[in-house]
Amino acid sequence: DQQVKQNSPSLSVQEGRISILNCDYTNSMFDYFLWYKKYPAEGPTFLISISSIKDKNEDGRFTVFLNKSAKHLSLHIVPSQPGDSAVYFCAASARGYQKVTFGTGTKLQVIP
Amino acid sequence: DADVTQTPRNRITKTGKRIMLECSQTKGHDRMYWYRQDPGLGLRLIYYSFDVKDINKGEISDGYSVSRQAQAKFSLSLESAIPNQTALYFCATSRTVSTDTQYFGPGTRLTVL
Repeated sequence: DQQVKQNSPSLSVQEGRISILNCDYTNSMFDYFLWYKKYPAEGPTFLISISSIKDKNEDGRFTVFLNKSAKHLSLHIVPSQPGDSAVYFCAASARGYQKVTFGTGTKLQVIP
Repeated sequence: DADVTQTPRNRITKTGKRIMLECSQTKGHDRMYWYRQDPGLGLRLIYYSFDVKDINKGEISDGYSVSRQAQAKFSLSLESAIPNQTALYFCATSRTVSTDTQYFGPGTRLTVL
């Protein structure tokens, strides 16, 4: 039972345009969400997070939006750069939970 | 130096062999995790440990065992490797609560023939 889903395995975007990566979750107890980025031959690294008390969190070119009623979150990258080409994992957890549940990942390719 | 290191980085072995993957961290974190990554399945939790005496099964622990030798060391063993354990394995650490950022090692690519 996949509680965190990223339905797009891959995404290609032109440099300078917006990249939108989507994530859906089924567990209504989740109240904290994270995005990790993974380059080839490296481990994932933390990118940005959002608590369910917010519907938006911004960090430079990266913005995460949370729609609790739809159990959906998205990561926006504006403008996209070739160095953003990586696999992006959405993850979810809750205060008091012992672990984090990761999604299946979306491979983003930013074309110069 | 890397905060979370994994050895070996690559390993090819045969069905039935015992394999140990090692993880060390210098971040001083109490929590450590082992994940595997498979195409289309994302990162799945194998085992996690909150301290030396506290080890817990994750969602896919069958066929694996772990040992937390010290706060800084957490090893994963495959007692009798099988081909469907071919995957990319990651160790990670975090401070305390589950919502804390996890810091990942570079991964071990394991191939079981």
